[in-house]
Amino acid sequence: DAGITQSPRHKVTETGTPVTLRCHQTENHRYMYWYRQDPGHGLRLIHYSYGVKDTDKGEVSDGYSVSRSKTEDFLLTLESATSSQTSVYFCAISESLTGKNYGYTFGSGTRLTVV
Amino acid sequence: DQQVKQNSPSLSVQEGRISILNCDYTNSMFDYFLWYKKYPAEGPTFLISISSIKDKNEDGRFTVFLNKSAKHLSLHIVPSQPGDSAVYFCAARNSLRGSTLGRLYFGRGTQLTVWP
Repeated sequence: DAGITQSPRHKVTETGTPVTLRCHQTENHRYMYWYRQDPGHGLRLIHYSYGVKDTDKGEVSDGYSVSRSKTEDFLLTLESATSSQTSVYFCAISESLTGKNYGYTFGSGTRLTVV
Repeated sequence: DQQVKQNSPSLSVQEGRISILNCDYTNSMFDYFLWYKKYPAEGPTFLISISSIKDKNEDGRFTVFLNKSAKHLSLHIVPSQPGDSAVYFCAARNSLRGSTLGRLYFGRGTQLTVWP
């Protein structure tokens, strides 16, 4: 079982408030990703990181920011939560971009409800 | 623009029969394909993969077929079991050098239900 944990597992927040979700890994993997899963949309990439302080935008990055100050932690922040950001958020880690060890390992997810 | 498409949102199969889940892609720079399985309230877990240089990969009850000319892959589960009921995501890796190298692109998923 890969060492990746997401916190919190569930959160309800009010519209307009900032929210931070945490992804913590103990695998020392370089690559980390944040996805959201919504009915009819599958998994969509929000932001990703290729190393400490090296982050970039994915497909649906508007309204989100990330930070990675340590290899093991990747934080996702909703600057001002909106109801459209109600979703299940998954963090994923990867050891490499290519090669035989390629593949994503996912956390268990955070269910976020914005009311 | 969806680069990986799973056109069947759901599939229902009787226990013991074959389940066939389909996936189409548009990007010729995809070089590696994976299937993930997801149970409710859990994260997706890796199931099986195939390199673009192969046309078949088998692992127990699970076989993935790749047709590069048609940009199509399928996952066969034989025999299907009730415990296989889950959402299955098809994913493809981009091999193009640049900011998207190694990124996985996911389909929208297919809900498989295996009934007794």
